[in-house]
Amino acid sequence: GAVVSQHPSRVICKSGTSVKIECRSLDFQATTMFWYRQFPKQSLMLMATSNEGSKATYEQGVEKDKFLINHASLTLSTLTVTSAHPEDSSFYICSARGPGPYSGNTIYFGEGSWLTVV
Amino acid sequence: DAKTTQPPSMDCAEGRAANLPCNHSTISGNEYVYWYRQIHSQGPQYIIHGLKNNETNEMASLIITEDRKSSTLILPHATLRDTAVYYCIVRVGQGGSEKLVFGKGTKLTVNP
Repeated sequence: GAVVSQHPSRVICKSGTSVKIECRSLDFQATTMFWYRQFPKQSLMLMATSNEGSKATYEQGVEKDKFLINHASLTLSTLTVTSAHPEDSSFYICSARGPGPYSGNTIYFGEGSWLTVV
Repeated sequence: DAKTTQPPSMDCAEGRAANLPCNHSTISGNEYVYWYRQIHSQGPQYIIHGLKNNETNEMASLIITEDRKSSTLILPHATLRDTAVYYCIVRVGQGGSEKLVFGKGTKLTVNP
């Protein structure tokens, strides 16, 4: 299957700083990428849908000014957590829709990025 | 909100078939059923998907009922490495706006 890679896999940052997480589709072009957050022992929560060359669409309750998403190319989307606080500590996961124009094409996930805010 | 219902947990003996059920009674005619699994602290792994026909690949089989209101994921010979949370997802949206909304999934434990 198609490969989606995230970087960094783990990051620790100080409260009040910003941190950027990258999501890359390694062997295909992804016009649409998705960002999720997962707290321990909970399911994945969709944060936003990122479309190349346009503004991201955020799910209800997700602060777009806090979680900045940029999808500047067909293989890269970034999530920046601004003014991070300890409650932002979580597992962040990106995914990308695989190649093909059809509704049935598969969405592949990255390995996830652990963010710890101290 | 997720449009599927799954049992919270299941157990299976190593080497036996694991049958994971999923109800999606409100599924629309053009919505696909997807199955993913998540091993602890990793991103979800794609397993299989289908529309209305049964599907099989190297990982699993997907059986979809004729009315499409439920489906079963079958792992034919479960191993200890199949222990994971399995998510059954109906793809929300259409025409390029599809997204995956996760429910709570089924925690499958494969026992030796």
